[in-house]
Amino acid sequence: DGGITQSPKYLFRKEGQNVTLSCEQNLNHDAMYWYRQDPGQGLRLIYYSQIVNDFQKGDIAEGYSVSREKKESFPLTVTSAQKNPTAFYLCASSRRRGYEQYFGPGTRLTVT
Amino acid sequence: ELKVEQNPLFLSMQEGKNYTIYCNYSTTSDRLYWYRQDPGKSLESLFVLLSNGAVKQEGRLMASLDTKARLSTLHITAAVHDLSATYFCAVDLNQFYFGTGTSLTVIP
Repeated sequence: DGGITQSPKYLFRKEGQNVTLSCEQNLNHDAMYWYRQDPGQGLRLIYYSQIVNDFQKGDIAEGYSVSREKKESFPLTVTSAQKNPTAFYLCASSRRRGYEQYFGPGTRLTVT
Repeated sequence: ELKVEQNPLFLSMQEGKNYTIYCNYSTTSDRLYWYRQDPGKSLESLFVLLSNGAVKQEGRLMASLDTKARLSTLHITAAVHDLSATYFCAVDLNQFYFGTGTSLTVIP
């Protein structure tokens, strides 16, 4: 079955710690994306990658970092510089940029 | 920056009734997507609208796109409880810009 997996589903961290969220896809898609969703709001783009070893900042990249060493994987690190990291994080992929995006199940991060 | 506004933000409707959700956006684009999100879940793709005048239908849902008016509509016909969810539109302008969502509750 082709799809997007994210792990873990729930993540709890103490303030000041970096945390890495996993995103893997087996759809052979070139483009991958990270979004953040806060309660009662739409999705906001954090980072995207169109190809391996290349990525671009989205609208709210401050306090986050990513890597794209493999086509299938696009991990997101939430650093201690992110002032309000508690949110629902969604990873997506598309055949190429500008095509329909498919979403993973999400990771709910709580930082206390 | 592209602004995407949905209305209403909250919608409570009785089973069997019809209603329309509106998605307005501020900059010209001819690519618009509708997604559904159940509580605590991810987004599920509903419709892909890629040109002016595009109309897509699936079951009790029908989506349309008017690029000149910068408006997309999601029409619900004879609502059933299973349609209760949050619906998002997303406009593609080099990146996806999402609306704030419309939370739909269908009451038996």
